[in-house]
Amino acid sequence: GAVVSQHPSWVICKSGTSVKIECRSLDFQATTMFWYRQFPKQSLMLMATSNEGSKATYEQGVEKDKFLINHASLTLSTLTVTSAHPEDSSFYICSASLLHYNEQFFGPGTRLTVL
Amino acid sequence: AQTVTQSQPEMSVQEAETVTLSCTYDTSESDYYLFWYKQPPSRQMILVIRQEAYKQQNATENRFSVNFQKAAKSFSLKISDSQLGDAAMYFCAYRVYSGGGADGLTFGKGTHLIIQP
Repeated sequence: GAVVSQHPSWVICKSGTSVKIECRSLDFQATTMFWYRQFPKQSLMLMATSNEGSKATYEQGVEKDKFLINHASLTLSTLTVTSAHPEDSSFYICSASLLHYNEQFFGPGTRLTVL
Repeated sequence: AQTVTQSQPEMSVQEAETVTLSCTYDTSESDYYLFWYKQPPSRQMILVIRQEAYKQQNATENRFSVNFQKAAKSFSLKISDSQLGDAAMYFCAYRVYSGGGADGLTFGKGTHLIIQP
């Protein structure tokens, strides 16, 4: 149980285009989903927290107009990187948690390469 | 703001030996959780062990155990009988306890663990 999927697993796009990444909780309803970013050989950095039906809460320094997050249902959150540039190339990981539960369940990640 | 520090970028251990990974953290909160995650080359984050700050007893999971020193804000991971499959990046992480599970994790920079056959 507690499986989280991400789609796509990798994506290559041209500079200036937008890319959408999906995060799904497959066998549970996630009250909260999180988006992290991991640069090569670095740690995970929390980008934003999203609760179903509410606006996402972004960490300091993360541009909310560039990284659009939608959490329309208890099983799906999407991250859209708008007007992507090469510096947005990174590994994006989502996680999901249940209300009053102490653990986050991580997706397998999405590798974004912007040419 | 809370910070998590892992001072060992890389550690190497012989197969079947024991290794300890260090982690310190800084927080003004009294209730929080600490975690160790493993990230193998697949990059899938795998929870290794979890410690609730209010519990004095150190958590253990089979060959993995922690030494939690709340006053010193230290949270080390001991891996006994190291196996080749333990080779990975290990991240120490912190989460404040807010009662709803709606807080993100703060991660350390990670320790690359190498297992020598």
